[in-house]
Amino acid sequence: GEDVEQSLFLSVREGDSSVINCTYTDSSSTYLYWYKQEPGAGLQLLTYIFSNMDMKQDQRLTVLLNKKDKHLSLRIADTQTGDSAIYFCATGSGYSTLTFGKGTMLLVSP
Amino acid sequence: GAVVSQHPSWVICKSGTSVKIECRSLDFQATTMFWYRQFPKQSLMLMATSNEGSKATYEQGVEKDKFLINHASLTLSTLTVTSAHPEDSSFYICSARDIGGGAPDTQYFGPGTRLTVL
Repeated sequence: GEDVEQSLFLSVREGDSSVINCTYTDSSSTYLYWYKQEPGAGLQLLTYIFSNMDMKQDQRLTVLLNKKDKHLSLRIADTQTGDSAIYFCATGSGYSTLTFGKGTMLLVSP
Repeated sequence: GAVVSQHPSWVICKSGTSVKIECRSLDFQATTMFWYRQFPKQSLMLMATSNEGSKATYEQGVEKDKFLINHASLTLSTLTVTSAHPEDSSFYICSARDIGGGAPDTQYFGPGTRLTVL
């Protein structure tokens, strides 16, 4: 089946930038998503990018998409302790179910 | 906007009893809702896709007679765990797809329900 891969863990210091990477296999992926999950909570949609875009920026978040390499990244500028959470990458091909990665746990230390 | 609620947020029940979890889209209509199960430190496992007014589509390996799903309106889907056993203890999360806007696959998630079966 289709696969989405993420590194499991990332640790950064407060104020640094964080970059979370994701690779996927489904070439028909049309929309690519980033969700954030805090402990004991559901998933919060952070942002998404359409497959014909290379980059999308939303305040401290920057999403980069390399469609040729099927590589997606989420950069968080000026990372804060409140950004500590699990970040999920997900892909969809239009009115379909989403395929999720296993999530990257981001730990931000003061 | 795009708020999804779940009730209850946590429940403890005895083995053999049934538990119903509600998922509501509060400010949008959702023809499609999804039910996920999440184990500690693991990713989401899609259990079933719930379509308003029709039968749910279950993923392979999910027992449809054990996990009953009803999607009777555009804002409500329910998951009933029948004859629950300790191995059913988990974090259950629902999501809803907004037919009115955003990317077509976008799912908005509820806060989850922690089920503990004793």
